[in-house]
Amino acid sequence: AQTVTQSQPEMSVQEAETVTLSCTYDTSENNYYLFWYKQPPSRQMILVIRQEAYKQQNATENRFSVNFQKAAKSFSLKISDSQLGDTAMYFCAFMKQEAGTASKLTFGTGTRLQVTL
Amino acid sequence: DVKVTQSSRYLVKRTGEKVFLECVQDMDHENMFWYRQDPGLGLRLIYFSYDVKMKEKGDIPEGYSVSREKKERFSLILESASTNQTSMYLCASSYPTHAPQATQYFGPGTRLTVL
Repeated sequence: AQTVTQSQPEMSVQEAETVTLSCTYDTSENNYYLFWYKQPPSRQMILVIRQEAYKQQNATENRFSVNFQKAAKSFSLKISDSQLGDTAMYFCAFMKQEAGTASKLTFGTGTRLQVTL
Repeated sequence: DVKVTQSSRYLVKRTGEKVFLECVQDMDHENMFWYRQDPGLGLRLIYFSYDVKMKEKGDIPEGYSVSREKKERFSLILESASTNQTSMYLCASSYPTHAPQATQYFGPGTRLTVL
Protein backbone atom coordinates (compact mmCIF):
# COMPACT_ATOMS: atom_id res chain seq x y z
CA ALA A 1 0.00 0.00 0.00
CA GLN A 2 1.10 3.52 -0.70
CA THR A 3 1.52 6.16 1.98
CA VAL A 4 1.88 9.91 1.68
CA THR A 5 3.42 12.01 4.44
CA GLN A 6 3.16 15.76 4.90
CA SER A 7 5.26 16.60 7.93
CA GLN A 8 4.25 20.28 8.23
CA PRO A 9 0.72 20.62 9.64
CA GLU A 10 0.84 24.42 9.48
CA MET A 11 3.00 27.01 7.77
CA SER A 12 3.00 30.75 7.46
CA VAL A 13 4.55 33.02 4.83
CA GLN A 14 4.51 36.73 4.20
CA GLU A 15 2.98 38.12 1.06
CA ALA A 16 5.40 38.20 -1.91
CA GLU A 17 7.73 35.68 -0.25
CA THR A 18 8.45 32.11 -1.33
CA VAL A 19 7.39 29.04 0.61
CA THR A 20 8.02 25.32 0.13
CA LEU A 21 5.65 22.61 1.30
CA SER A 22 7.13 19.16 1.72
CA CYS A 23 5.70 15.78 0.80
CA THR A 24 7.22 12.32 0.85
CA TYR A 25 5.64 9.08 -0.27
CA ASP A 26 6.32 5.39 -0.13
CA THR A 27 5.64 3.05 -3.03
CA SER A 28 7.12 0.11 -4.89
CA GLU A 29 5.52 1.25 -8.15
CA ASN A 30 7.56 2.68 -11.00
CA ASN A 31 4.78 4.42 -12.94
CA TYR A 32 2.52 6.77 -11.03
CA TYR A 33 1.26 10.34 -10.75
CA LEU A 34 1.67 12.90 -7.99
CA PHE A 35 -0.63 15.83 -7.32
CA TRP A 36 -0.94 18.92 -5.19
CA TYR A 37 -4.48 20.02 -4.42
CA LYS A 38 -5.53 23.28 -2.79
CA GLN A 39 -8.60 23.70 -0.57
CA PRO A 40 -9.29 27.37 0.32
CA PRO A 41 -11.35 28.04 3.45
CA SER A 42 -14.95 26.95 2.85
CA ARG A 43 -14.27 26.51 -0.85
CA GLN A 44 -13.87 23.71 -3.34
CA MET A 45 -10.76 21.55 -3.66
CA ILE A 46 -8.90 22.34 -6.86
CA LEU A 47 -5.89 20.88 -8.62
CA VAL A 48 -2.73 22.98 -8.34
CA ILE A 49 -0.21 20.88 -10.20
CA ARG A 50 0.41 17.35 -11.46
CA GLN A 51 3.59 15.37 -12.08
CA GLU A 52 4.03 12.15 -14.04
CA ALA A 53 6.69 9.92 -12.49
CA TYR A 54 8.19 9.02 -15.87
CA LYS A 55 8.94 12.67 -16.60
CA GLN A 56 12.24 13.92 -15.24
CA GLN A 57 11.35 17.56 -15.78
CA ASN A 58 9.67 19.23 -12.82
CA ALA A 59 6.14 20.50 -13.46
CA THR A 60 5.39 24.22 -13.23
CA GLU A 61 2.16 26.20 -13.29
CA ASN A 62 2.73 29.95 -13.12
CA ARG A 63 3.88 30.69 -9.53
CA PHE A 64 3.67 27.04 -8.51
CA SER A 65 6.44 24.53 -9.16
CA VAL A 66 7.47 21.18 -7.80
CA ASN A 67 10.75 19.56 -6.90
CA PHE A 68 10.29 15.91 -7.79
CA GLN A 69 13.02 13.59 -6.53
CA LYS A 70 12.00 10.10 -7.60
CA ALA A 71 14.82 8.22 -5.92
CA ALA A 72 14.20 10.02 -2.64
CA LYS A 73 10.41 9.71 -3.08
CA SER A 74 10.01 13.39 -2.41
CA PHE A 75 7.56 15.82 -4.04
CA SER A 76 7.70 19.34 -2.63
CA LEU A 77 5.62 22.32 -3.77
CA LYS A 78 7.15 25.76 -4.11
CA ILE A 79 4.93 28.82 -4.18
CA SER A 80 6.67 31.95 -5.40
CA ASP A 81 5.47 35.51 -4.84
CA SER A 82 2.87 34.32 -2.33
CA GLN A 83 -0.52 36.03 -2.44
CA LEU A 84 -3.29 36.30 0.14
CA GLY A 85 -5.41 34.09 -2.08
CA ASP A 86 -2.91 31.26 -1.60
CA THR A 87 -4.15 30.85 1.97
CA ALA A 88 -5.55 27.32 2.00
CA MET A 89 -5.08 23.73 3.03
CA TYR A 90 -2.72 21.97 0.63
CA PHE A 91 -2.87 18.24 0.07
CA CYS A 92 -0.28 16.07 -1.58
CA ALA A 93 -1.66 12.96 -3.30
CA PHE A 94 -0.36 9.84 -5.02
CA MET A 95 -2.00 7.81 -7.79
CA LYS A 96 -0.88 4.60 -9.42
CA GLN A 97 -2.49 3.49 -12.64
CA GLU A 98 -4.80 0.53 -12.21
CA ALA A 99 -6.06 -1.94 -14.81
CA GLY A 100 -9.75 -2.78 -14.97
CA THR A 101 -10.83 -0.34 -12.28
CA ALA A 102 -10.49 3.31 -11.31
CA SER A 103 -7.14 4.77 -10.34
CA LYS A 104 -7.40 5.93 -6.75
CA LEU A 105 -5.78 8.81 -4.90
CA THR A 106 -3.93 8.40 -1.62
CA PHE A 107 -3.77 11.69 0.27
CA GLY A 108 -1.46 13.13 2.85
CA THR A 109 -2.86 14.77 5.98
CA GLY A 110 -2.47 18.27 4.58
CA THR A 111 -0.54 21.46 5.32
CA ARG A 112 -2.45 24.58 6.33
CA LEU A 113 -0.77 27.60 4.74
CA GLN A 114 -1.45 31.11 5.98
CA VAL A 115 -0.27 34.04 3.88
CA THR A 116 0.12 37.22 5.93
CA LEU A 117 0.58 40.89 5.08
CA ASP B 1 -14.90 23.31 -17.14
CA VAL B 2 -15.75 20.19 -15.18
CA LYS B 3 -18.58 20.69 -12.76
CA VAL B 4 -19.19 18.39 -9.80
CA THR B 5 -22.13 19.32 -7.60
CA GLN B 6 -23.33 17.94 -4.29
CA SER B 7 -26.91 18.11 -3.10
CA SER B 8 -26.28 19.93 0.19
CA ARG B 9 -23.50 22.06 1.68
CA TYR B 10 -24.68 21.47 5.25
CA LEU B 11 -26.80 18.67 6.65
CA VAL B 12 -27.91 17.86 10.21
CA LYS B 13 -29.35 14.44 10.96
CA ARG B 14 -30.22 12.40 14.02
CA THR B 15 -28.62 9.15 15.10
CA GLY B 16 -30.24 6.18 13.38
CA GLU B 17 -31.60 8.13 10.42
CA LYS B 18 -30.97 6.97 6.86
CA VAL B 19 -28.98 9.65 5.03
CA PHE B 20 -28.52 10.17 1.29
CA LEU B 21 -25.74 12.31 -0.11
CA GLU B 22 -26.02 13.00 -3.83
CA CYS B 23 -23.29 13.88 -6.30
CA VAL B 24 -23.70 14.84 -9.95
CA GLN B 25 -21.01 15.48 -12.59
CA ASP B 26 -21.50 16.93 -16.04
CA MET B 27 -18.36 15.73 -17.85
CA ASP B 28 -19.37 12.19 -18.75
CA HIS B 29 -16.70 10.82 -16.41
CA GLU B 30 -16.64 7.06 -15.93
CA ASN B 31 -15.11 7.19 -12.46
CA MET B 32 -16.71 8.67 -9.36
CA PHE B 33 -15.51 8.68 -5.76
CA TRP B 34 -16.70 9.42 -2.23
CA TYR B 35 -14.26 10.60 0.45
CA ARG B 36 -14.58 11.79 3.98
CA GLN B 37 -12.33 14.53 5.28
CA ASP B 38 -11.43 14.80 8.96
CA PRO B 39 -8.89 17.13 10.61
CA GLY B 40 -5.47 15.54 10.89
CA LEU B 41 -6.50 12.55 8.77
CA GLY B 42 -6.68 14.07 5.30
CA LEU B 43 -9.10 12.52 2.83
CA ARG B 44 -10.00 8.87 3.08
CA LEU B 45 -11.72 6.92 0.32
CA ILE B 46 -15.08 5.39 1.25
CA TYR B 47 -16.32 3.91 -2.06
CA PHE B 48 -15.76 4.42 -5.76
CA SER B 49 -17.39 3.47 -9.01
CA TYR B 50 -15.80 2.93 -12.43
CA ASP B 51 -19.00 2.43 -14.42
CA VAL B 52 -22.77 2.45 -14.02
CA LYS B 53 -23.84 -0.11 -11.41
CA MET B 54 -20.17 -0.98 -10.72
CA LYS B 55 -18.78 -0.14 -7.30
CA GLU B 56 -15.83 -1.04 -5.13
CA LYS B 57 -14.98 -0.51 -1.49
CA GLY B 58 -12.37 2.00 -0.56
CA ASP B 59 -10.37 2.18 2.64
CA ILE B 60 -13.23 2.89 5.08
CA PRO B 61 -16.50 1.45 3.69
CA GLU B 62 -18.00 0.29 7.00
CA GLY B 63 -21.34 1.94 7.73
CA TYR B 64 -21.76 3.20 4.15
CA SER B 65 -23.19 2.01 0.87
CA VAL B 66 -23.40 3.58 -2.58
CA SER B 67 -25.60 3.60 -5.64
CA ARG B 68 -24.82 4.46 -9.25
CA GLU B 69 -27.85 3.98 -11.49
CA LYS B 70 -26.85 6.68 -13.99
CA LYS B 71 -23.42 7.65 -15.21
CA GLU B 72 -23.63 11.23 -13.97
CA ARG B 73 -24.93 10.50 -10.47
CA PHE B 74 -23.28 8.77 -7.52
CA SER B 75 -25.04 8.51 -4.18
CA LEU B 76 -23.57 7.81 -0.76
CA ILE B 77 -25.93 6.20 1.74
CA LEU B 78 -25.59 6.05 5.49
CA GLU B 79 -27.97 3.26 6.41
CA SER B 80 -28.18 4.22 10.09
CA ALA B 81 -26.28 7.40 10.85
CA SER B 82 -24.04 7.48 13.90
CA THR B 83 -22.24 10.35 15.62
CA ASN B 84 -18.84 9.09 14.42
CA GLN B 85 -19.99 9.74 10.86
CA THR B 86 -20.05 13.47 11.52
CA SER B 87 -17.61 14.72 8.91
CA MET B 88 -17.04 16.56 5.63
CA TYR B 89 -17.94 14.39 2.65
CA LEU B 90 -16.36 15.08 -0.72
CA CYS B 91 -17.35 13.66 -4.08
CA ALA B 92 -14.97 13.50 -7.05
CA SER B 93 -15.00 12.29 -10.64
CA SER B 94 -12.38 11.49 -13.27
CA TYR B 95 -11.82 10.14 -16.74
CA PRO B 96 -11.16 6.44 -17.28
CA THR B 97 -8.05 4.82 -15.96
CA HIS B 98 -6.46 4.53 -19.36
CA ALA B 99 -6.66 8.25 -19.94
CA PRO B 100 -3.18 9.75 -19.88
CA GLN B 101 -3.95 12.01 -16.98
CA ALA B 102 -6.71 10.74 -14.71
CA THR B 103 -7.08 13.88 -12.61
CA GLN B 104 -9.92 13.87 -10.11
CA TYR B 105 -12.26 16.86 -9.92
CA PHE B 106 -13.99 17.59 -6.64
CA GLY B 107 -17.38 18.84 -5.56
CA PRO B 108 -17.84 21.54 -2.90
CA GLY B 109 -18.40 19.05 -0.10
CA THR B 110 -21.24 18.31 2.33
CA ARG B 111 -20.64 18.97 6.01
CA LEU B 112 -22.74 16.37 7.81
CA THR B 113 -23.50 16.60 11.51
CA VAL B 114 -25.11 13.62 13.24
CA LEU B 115 -26.68 14.46 16.59
